[in-house]
Amino acid sequence: GQQVMQIPQYQHVQEGEDFTTYCNSSTTLSNIQWYKQRPGGHPVFLIQLVKSGEVKKQKRLTFQFGEAKKNSSLHITATQTTDVGTYFCAGRGSEKLVFGKGTKLTVNP
Amino acid sequence: DAGVTQSPTHLIKTRGQQVTLRCSPKSGHDTVSWYQQALGQGPQFIFQYYEEEERQRGNFPDRFSGHQFPNYSSELNVNALLLGDSALYLCASSKARTSTDTQYFGPGTRLTVL
Repeated sequence: GQQVMQIPQYQHVQEGEDFTTYCNSSTTLSNIQWYKQRPGGHPVFLIQLVKSGEVKKQKRLTFQFGEAKKNSSLHITATQTTDVGTYFCAGRGSEKLVFGKGTKLTVNP
Repeated sequence: DAGVTQSPTHLIKTRGQQVTLRCSPKSGHDTVSWYQQALGQGPQFIFQYYEEEERQRGNFPDRFSGHQFPNYSSELNVNALLLGDSALYLCASSKARTSTDTQYFGPGTRLTVL
């Protein structure tokens, strides 16, 4: 069945450094979504990408969807302590939404 | 505008028991999906309900069953609980037949099986 791999599993950065997490699907996706889960919280929707090669920005966050619609990335510029949490990608194939295992980001002030 | 609500917030059961978790979707939403999130893992899709029927199902055994009511709220039932069922159970609501696929998650129910 469809699998979504996400790397790295953990990332620790100094405040002000950049951060990137990568997501790869075993199958072509109709869309990919990104969620953020704060410690002790629940996943919160960040963005959805639908088109091949799509790039979207939200302030310091940049999201990309690969040309083949099988991979995606989330890049955070100049991390802040408020960016702490686990970032999940979730890929929609033909039916189900499949989540990656997430990248846990910690930021040292 | 109420978001997704779930009850109870925490639950402790013993092996072999049965449990029912409840979810009320966000106002205006008609589709409810249930996910299991083990510690340190991503949410795993259990099933989705729309128009009071199970529409999609993930790789979970028949011990996991559900229901959707006419007011779109939903229940997740788990029978014959195993230690491995200990997890955060998340309900997510969405609106069918829209251009966006956004899942709005509730706060979850933390289930501990002893």
